Amino acid sequence: NAGVMQNPRHLVRRRGQEARLRCSPMKGHSHVYWYRQLPEEGLKFMVYLQKENIIDESGMPKERFSAEFPKEGPSILRIQQVVRGDSAAYFCASSPLRSRLPSYEQYFGPGTRLTVT
Amino acid sequence: DAKTTQPTSMDCAEGRAANLPCNHSTISGNEYVYWYRQIHSQGPQYIIHGLKNNETNEMASLIITEDRKSSTLILPHATLRDTAVYYCIVRAYQGGSEKLVFGKGTKLTVNP
Repeated sequence: NAGVMQNPRHLVRRRGQEARLRCSPMKGHSHVYWYRQLPEEGLKFMVYLQKENIIDESGMPKERFSAEFPKEGPSILRIQQVVRGDSAAYFCASSPLRSRLPSYEQYFGPGTRLTVT
Repeated sequence: DAKTTQPTSMDCAEGRAANLPCNHSTISGNEYVYWYRQIHSQGPQYIIHGLKNNETNEMASLIITEDRKSSTLILPHATLRDTAVYYCIVRAYQGGSEKLVFGKGTKLTVNP
């Protein structure tokens, strides 16, 4: 059973370009989460999605960032007009359809390292 | 979610048990205790979770005090590959959001 897949693993963009980060959840998982880790800092939640729905985007910057999880295909985190401060590791996690209680875990991918030059 | 307090760093000798403490004195009755770890530059890895009973799996044991205000993650025979940042997280069902709130964690260094 393949784990969470993220690609690309490394992405270099010049200031002002767009960055697209892809995440394929584990088989059978319908919930996707995106987290960001700035250099020398902890992980910060960005957004939580189910198929075709954004459930919680409280951690997303108000501008330039968007996320989707279409019915078919991977989840996409899109950063428009990147700036140097966007340089970070972006991690995706997935979990299965939840029960009423939070007794399941999130499985993380290897991350995408974004470098903005 | 309840706030957690962990030591900034710990050392452990290879082959010995590593005991990582976590204080969560404001934990609510419906909040679970989760442990994750992040080995350098990799994605976080789920280790174990529990509500009020002690738990054990192939990776570790989780001991939760009777009042649930603190817990200890035990790696019974630490290896060099267990060197990582360990995060203790408490969370409950929030009626829509299942995000994990990571603190600074404990940097565990396993020494040969």
